[in-house]
Amino acid sequence: EADIYQTPRYLVIGTGKKITLECSQTMGHDKMYWYQQDPGMELHLIHYSYGVNSTEKGDLSSESTVSRIRTEHFPLTLESARPSHTSQYLCASRPGVNTEAFFGQGTRLTVV
Amino acid sequence: GQQVMQIPQYQHVQEGEDFTTYCNSSTTLSNIQWYKQRPGGHPVFLIQLVKSGEVKKQKRLTFQFGEAKKNSSLHITATQTTDVGTYFCAPTSGGSNYKLTFGKGTLLTVNP
Repeated sequence: EADIYQTPRYLVIGTGKKITLECSQTMGHDKMYWYQQDPGMELHLIHYSYGVNSTEKGDLSSESTVSRIRTEHFPLTLESARPSHTSQYLCASRPGVNTEAFFGQGTRLTVV
Repeated sequence: GQQVMQIPQYQHVQEGEDFTTYCNSSTTLSNIQWYKQRPGGHPVFLIQLVKSGEVKKQKRLTFQFGEAKKNSSLHITATQTTDVGTYFCAPTSGGSNYKLTFGKGTLLTVNP
């Protein structure tokens, strides 16, 4: 089982609140990723990082922001949550390009 | 982002029937990975193909990479109910190695 953890698993929050979704891995992986996925739908890459102090936007525009201050930690923040942000957010990591990616269990976010 | 088409979008089979999903790229790929996501779960790595014309087998699953490295397929022989889920391809081309993006996926359902 991969050592990559996401918290919380489920979150219901009101519109306008600031939220941070946590993603941590203990495998020392340089590459980390955030995806947004609606039920039964495709995986949209919203952010990625190839190492400490590097972050890039993915293919799907997102109002969220990320940071990578430590190798093991890649949190995602929404400054002001909206109902349109309701989705599942999946975090993944891998040691390098062209290697297997490991996914966390995901955070199911509902904004009411 | 990577231009890849994954077909079919959905496939429903009777248990024991075969199943194939295809991933077709408009450009030559460096490699391609395949992942499986069970309903309510997170994607799990299945395999990576790198060489032109490569064929790999995992029990009832057969993975192929085309000679031109633009196409790939995943074939399941004699499906079982445990095969239910969404199968995603994750192609990589030379200019976008840091990203990890996925095809839209093929949802397989199996009638027992």
